[in-house]
Amino acid sequence: GAVVSQHPSWVICKSGTSVKIECRSLDFQATTMFWYRQFPKQSLMLMATSNEGSKATYEQGVEKDKFLINHASLTLSTLTVTSAHPEDSSFYICSARVSGTDNAEAFFGQGTRLTVV
Amino acid sequence: QKEVEQNSGPLSVPEGAIASLNCTYSDRGSQSFFWYRQYSGKSPELIMFIYSNGDKEDGRFTAQLNKASQYVSLLIRDSQPSDSATYLCAAFNQAGTALIFGKGTTLSVSS
Repeated sequence: GAVVSQHPSWVICKSGTSVKIECRSLDFQATTMFWYRQFPKQSLMLMATSNEGSKATYEQGVEKDKFLINHASLTLSTLTVTSAHPEDSSFYICSARVSGTDNAEAFFGQGTRLTVV
Repeated sequence: QKEVEQNSGPLSVPEGAIASLNCTYSDRGSQSFFWYRQYSGKSPELIMFIYSNGDKEDGRFTAQLNKASQYVSLLIRDSQPSDSATYLCAAFNQAGTALIFGKGTTLSVSS
């Protein structure tokens, strides 16, 4: 399957700082990338859908000013957690969908474990 | 938000048995469905996808889709202890703009 690389895989930051997470599709172009958050023993919750060259679509309850998403190219989307707080500690996972194909499956990055202290 | 429902389990089966995992979805316009496996602390990995009504087989895995009943299932034949994981069912919404996950079913295969 296609490869999606997510970086960093683990980050610890101080409360009040910002953290940027990168999601790259390595061997395909992805018009659409999805950002999920997963708390322990819970399922993936869709945070936002990122479309190349346009604004991200945020799910209800997700603060767009806190979770900044940029999808500047067909192979890169970034999620920036601004002014992080301990309650933002979670497993963040990106997913990318191959461009130009209907019903294409989505491939996941390896996830980023964020710990805010 | 459209929903995908799964039994959280745990589902326990002995080694060699068939494990049956079920999923329902609320968006009647959904066209594509996926089963992912997730080990603790890891990202999900795709097992199978299915778009058409009926069965789709891949090795020990068979996915079944019934759009009229809005039901998707995954059968794992000859279950192995290494199959022990959380299995996530997911569906794209009709527009294909959001991939929605169920809460996952924890499968435990005992040797």
